Amino acid sequence: DSGVTQTPKHLITATGQRVTLRCSPRSGDLSVYWYQQSLDQGLQFLIQYYNGEERAKGNILERFSAQQFPDLHSELNLSSLELGDSALYFCASSVDPRAETQYFGPGTRLLVL
Amino acid sequence: AQKITQTQPGMFVQEKEAVTLDCTYDTSDQSYGLFWYKQPSSGEMIFLIYQGSYDEQNATEGRYSLNFQKARKSANLVISASQLGDSAMYFCAMRERGNTGKLIFGQGTTLQVKP
Repeated sequence: DSGVTQTPKHLITATGQRVTLRCSPRSGDLSVYWYQQSLDQGLQFLIQYYNGEERAKGNILERFSAQQFPDLHSELNLSSLELGDSALYFCASSVDPRAETQYFGPGTRLLVL
Repeated sequence: AQKITQTQPGMFVQEKEAVTLDCTYDTSDQSYGLFWYKQPSSGEMIFLIYQGSYDEQNATEGRYSLNFQKARKSANLVISASQLGDSAMYFCAMRERGNTGKLIFGQGTTLQVKP
């Protein structure tokens, strides 16, 4: 158990819908990262927050947004879902961006039908 | 641009033998970090080992060691005494330049341990 929690574990929804993925970082970790893993794109960085502020953005679609709350948990919102958004979404956390460890949550497996 | 390359899509190893998974990277930075993760069929990403670019010694964590050759820009993972539970996908990753902590991943290597 990495100490990073993600809910839900599985999500099945339809095209055009909106979903929210939730992540709680390890105790003491201020930095939260979101990654997407798909068969065709591999593991890709989406967005990072540090202590409530957005620190870096990757190949995140405009239909996707995220935030980190004062209690440091984070949510990734995916809207106007398309079939191609089906993927495994990981949240990871670290003490700070330069940390020697970055622990991943169990992931949320999203299936868009 | 920074890049990670894992050239072995799949590998087999006999139980109790050692295996090396290759990883090469491309960066112009002097300071960087390299990570290895294991992803079993259940899907979770398990952190295995970290090597900093200024670390003089190769990193080791139990049966895992990282063969770091800076001049060659390689960071191979060595698993000693393979076990059946080592069968999984293995990813090499590099922390991107700057202060973001963002990881850039390779395409992964699938390792199968034979009994």
